[in-house]
Amino acid sequence: LAKTTQPISMDSYEGQEVNITCSHNNIATNDYITWYQQFPSQGPRFIIQGYKTKVTNEVASLFIPADRKSSTLSLPRVSLSDTAVYYCLVGDQYNNNDMRFGAGTRLTVKP
Amino acid sequence: KAGVTQTPRYLIKTRGQQVTLSCSPISGHRSVSWYQQTPGQGLQFLFEYFSETQRNKGNFPGRFSGRQFSNSRSEMNVSTLELGDSALYLCASSFLVSGTGILSVNTQYFGPGTRLTVL
Repeated sequence: LAKTTQPISMDSYEGQEVNITCSHNNIATNDYITWYQQFPSQGPRFIIQGYKTKVTNEVASLFIPADRKSSTLSLPRVSLSDTAVYYCLVGDQYNNNDMRFGAGTRLTVKP
Repeated sequence: KAGVTQTPRYLIKTRGQQVTLSCSPISGHRSVSWYQQTPGQGLQFLFEYFSETQRNKGNFPGRFSGRQFSNSRSEMNVSTLELGDSALYLCASSFLVSGTGILSVNTQYFGPGTRLTVL
């Protein structure tokens, strides 16, 4: 399983764009990159998933360079409600349920 | 479509007792995974069931066990509870699709969790 490394914490202000980068140097050919968001005392919530290049949905964008050894979650114009822990996971799509969550990145959005 | 449900939401037990937690996956999902989350250790993978078979297992003692039924509903059991078992137990379901020459992409959908307190 590819190990991921993310910053422990980040601070931002309302209205700013936030970029959280995750390193996964040992990513395998079949691995996908998935990001989850978790609020206190709730289960993680799927944000976005990608394999290569750029993926965008109504919540976020995911940038993946050609070598796929890192990925960047981009949250446009964050609000106070985006304060949460964000997890980056890398896993084989045929065996993704053996997912190892790291410590995640605790994002704090300030007014 | 209804999400993943877990029962009970809160539970208080004493040391030495056992507990059974239940998880109902999203309709059609065939894989269920269980996680333990504590402030000190974060989110840790317990085990995963697919088609009533345990497919993956994390690094937890044998006191932690689980099973999956033919309707994909899953239960996990913790015997001889210890104070350190106090945690939020999360269940996640996903829909595994086997493809031939096509990459299948899986996403886990988490339930709200069961908060277990061991006194």
